[in-house]
Amino acid sequence: GENVEQHPSTLSVQEGDSAVIKCTYSDSASNYFPWYKQELGKRPQLIIDIRSNVGEKKDQRIAVTLNKTAKHFSLHITETQPEDSAVYFCAASKGGNKLVFGAGTILRVKS
Amino acid sequence: GAVVSQHPSWVICKSGTSVKIECRSLDFQATTMFWYRQFPKQSLMLMATSNEGSKATYEQGVEKDKFLINHASLTLSTLTVTSAHPEDSSFYICSASRDSVSNQPQHFGDGTRLSIL
Repeated sequence: GENVEQHPSTLSVQEGDSAVIKCTYSDSASNYFPWYKQELGKRPQLIIDIRSNVGEKKDQRIAVTLNKTAKHFSLHITETQPEDSAVYFCAASKGGNKLVFGAGTILRVKS
Repeated sequence: GAVVSQHPSWVICKSGTSVKIECRSLDFQATTMFWYRQFPKQSLMLMATSNEGSKATYEQGVEKDKFLINHASLTLSTLTVTSAHPEDSSFYICSASRDSVSNQPQHFGDGTRLSIL
């Protein structure tokens, strides 16, 4: 089955700097890659997603890139702010909406 | 749009009790709902996929007799933890999507923190 690896497990950045989180997946049939942000004790919230027919997608300070050949995708957050501090999860799906999640990255933005 | 409501948010009960958790899609019809379990500081582990009007599909290692899932309508799925024991204590989260075929975003409920004494 699908396996999603996520790195790093923790990431500390200074406010205003950029943060990059990387994920790799194993199943080349996967075609949908969402990213979720989860604050402590709260629900995961979809922040951006990308489908396999697109290489890059951007939404204000957040961008996601996908390399299908290498089977990896990355989340980029620019101009980080303290409210960006949370746990971020990547996920992959090959259909049927079934998601396989990465282990998560704890992002700390220091002010 | 795409609001998912989960109830209750917190349950504390004695060992041996059965606990029912509800997941509702408030403003859309969800043909598929998913149930996850999340341990502290860990990722979301898919327990089962719930399809309206049919039996749930359980992931390997998840006891279907222990975790009963019912998806009686397009807006409601329930998870019942039967004869709960302390090891069942966890954070349970549901999610729902509009379409079970094409990949559509999953929208999560607020989760239920279950504590078994």
